Amino acid sequence: QKEVEQDPGPLSVPEGAIVSLNCTYSNSAFQYFMWYRQYSRKGPELLMYTYSSGNKEDGRFTAQVDKSSKYISLFIRDSQPSDSATYLCAMSEGGTGNQFYFGTGTSLTVIP
Amino acid sequence: ETGVTQTPRHLVMGMTNKKSLKCEQHLGHNAMYWYKQSAKKPLELMFVYNFKEQTENNSVPSRFSPECPNSSHLFLHLHTLQPEDSALYLCASSHEYRVLAGGGETQYFGPGTRLLVL
Repeated sequence: QKEVEQDPGPLSVPEGAIVSLNCTYSNSAFQYFMWYRQYSRKGPELLMYTYSSGNKEDGRFTAQVDKSSKYISLFIRDSQPSDSATYLCAMSEGGTGNQFYFGTGTSLTVIP
Repeated sequence: ETGVTQTPRHLVMGMTNKKSLKCEQHLGHNAMYWYKQSAKKPLELMFVYNFKEQTENNSVPSRFSPECPNSSHLFLHLHTLQPEDSALYLCASSHEYRVLAGGGETQYFGPGTRLLVL
């Protein structure tokens, strides 16, 4: 069983739509949850970082963690063509020497 | 740019060749990582160096050999690779190899080396 499950898409939405990206996981010890954005021909860049459960908002982006359901989400409001990228979720138990576990990534295209 | 550079950006090699990938970070970080990214698969952590010491080797075949001569440079030496090793190889760095509640141990990724093994 994979540590982290993520629907690879592709997901295509019109400009201005609300986008919902999701990951599920099996390890209840995960406490740190991250979303990375990866543009074509680039490495991943950190978009959002959340510790434990709850919501975190940054501009048009909202990260949500539901530890009881082992489910995390990234919402993008008023999506723009520049949001077209692959979005990777990642998570970790935390502490020294603790690695990240990544999802496969969801490919998103925002159509003008 | 993230402050992490990788060369070459693209590499084609035969199964009998020997080549090396290079990563350099200009962020003053102490931890460096090699990841493998294949289509429709999660990022796979290969190696971690923390303060120049190798702390993780995730069951990577010996045909991949890492080297970290100092905290700014990381190499991945490749020899007798297989076609299934074709992938994007990403280097990353962070302040240290740990994950904290404050999020201070963010990993910064380079652009990757696209490797094709024929």
